[in-house]
Amino acid sequence: DTGVSQNPRHKITKRGQNVTFRCDPISEHNRLYWYRQTLGQGPEFLTYFQNEAQLEKSRLLSDRFSAERPKGSFSTLEIQRTEQGDSAMYLCASSSRHLQVGLGNEQFFGPGTRLTVL
Amino acid sequence: GESVGLHLPTLSVQEGDNSIINCAYSNSASDYFIWYKQESGKGPQFIIDIRSNMDKRQGQRVTVLLNKTVKHLSLQIAATQPGDSAVYFCAENKITGGFKTIFGAGTRLFVKA
Repeated sequence: DTGVSQNPRHKITKRGQNVTFRCDPISEHNRLYWYRQTLGQGPEFLTYFQNEAQLEKSRLLSDRFSAERPKGSFSTLEIQRTEQGDSAMYLCASSSRHLQVGLGNEQFFGPGTRLTVL
Repeated sequence: GESVGLHLPTLSVQEGDNSIINCAYSNSASDYFIWYKQESGKGPQFIIDIRSNMDKRQGQRVTVLLNKTVKHLSLQIAATQPGDSAVYFCAENKITGGFKTIFGAGTRLFVKA
């Protein structure tokens, strides 16, 4: 499978615990994005990497959230001291300026990691 | 602030009919608009896009229309099929300046057999 993969697919944790999610983008894609999606809503942008550089962070990304992409390939999103409000689907997407289907920056999404904080 | 919204949360159509999903946006500076389809348990999937200097773009069974005067975007699906049942999101971003994409809340399309 050459699509975007995310692990784990589901995570249940207790409030106050730390969790880490992993995203493996499409191998030729240099851009990687994290989004959060709650039920009935569209994805909300969290952060964006170009290669290993984190170029943009949303105000939604509090100091409890950190994302890395150390070698410009896979990325991790860590949430420390989880709160019930962190329960959501966390989506990863990747794109490449040079590998476009459409006209601009269409992003290819993974299946997401569903986080439930008890 | 920036926002992308949708007029209707749900749309029900008969199989074989055409579907029209509407979207309003507020950021005149956006370069680029995209429609995504999201099926249950999956991430959004790219359908079609359009640049701000275009009025219309066609794909396979889908057409996107952009009316910049009233800041309105629509997705037309011809001969709607059961497999088209999903939530559809319009999204906007700027081709320069970070590629931050802003999504609307989505419209759920039901296709009746």
